[in-house]
Amino acid sequence: GQNIDQPTEMTATEGAIVQINCTYQTSGFNGLFWYQQHAGEAPTFLSYNVLDGLEEKGRFSSFLSRSKGYSYLLLKELQMKDSASYLCAVRDLGSSNSGYALNFGKGTSLLVTP
Amino acid sequence: DAGITQSPRHKVTETGTPVTLRCHQTENHRYMYWYRQDPGHGLRLIHYSYGVKDTDKGEVSDGYSVSRSKTEDFLLTLESATSSQTSVYFCATWTGGSNQPQHFGDGTRLSIL
Repeated sequence: GQNIDQPTEMTATEGAIVQINCTYQTSGFNGLFWYQQHAGEAPTFLSYNVLDGLEEKGRFSSFLSRSKGYSYLLLKELQMKDSASYLCAVRDLGSSNSGYALNFGKGTSLLVTP
Repeated sequence: DAGITQSPRHKVTETGTPVTLRCHQTENHRYMYWYRQDPGHGLRLIHYSYGVKDTDKGEVSDGYSVSRSKTEDFLLTLESATSSQTSVYFCATWTGGSNQPQHFGDGTRLSIL
């Protein structure tokens, strides 16, 4: 999606914490989703935010600020298996989106090193 | 995930040939979507369906058509494949619940020579 921005690549160390940012522009915001995608595999759902604030789910947390058009995904206690692409997606009802489709960012490729 | 099966998983074909990709779901989800994923572009919506025989175009629909004759099946057809349609194609489904995510099939890797 051309109106969803996230960094292309990030590198972090095993055991550390990493924050992946996502900024977006919509005319009819209806929720933000984070997905994880390992190379050659399907995207899998991580988290959902529709109200401002932090949603925590184990080692993963996601934050949303609707007024700033901003979200981040926080990964704690990084493990090697967390090396993957992380996709930010927004449901925008402002563009005659009768299918309630998601607009995806280009993804952030995270490399976790020993 | 959510009982979504895409077929075929891999296909190589020649420019100008017709190609049909199938997405089959067992969860009775109302909404179904076809995306393509290319390096540098992320996931882009091709077509979607909001019910049997109800379909509409997405962001990159040129050269593609779809059909949904029953809830569980959503077909994507390339009438005359071109090399620019070489991509990985993902099908997704959604229940329609606002706090529910889309679930994705395992994808079809399509190469057009």
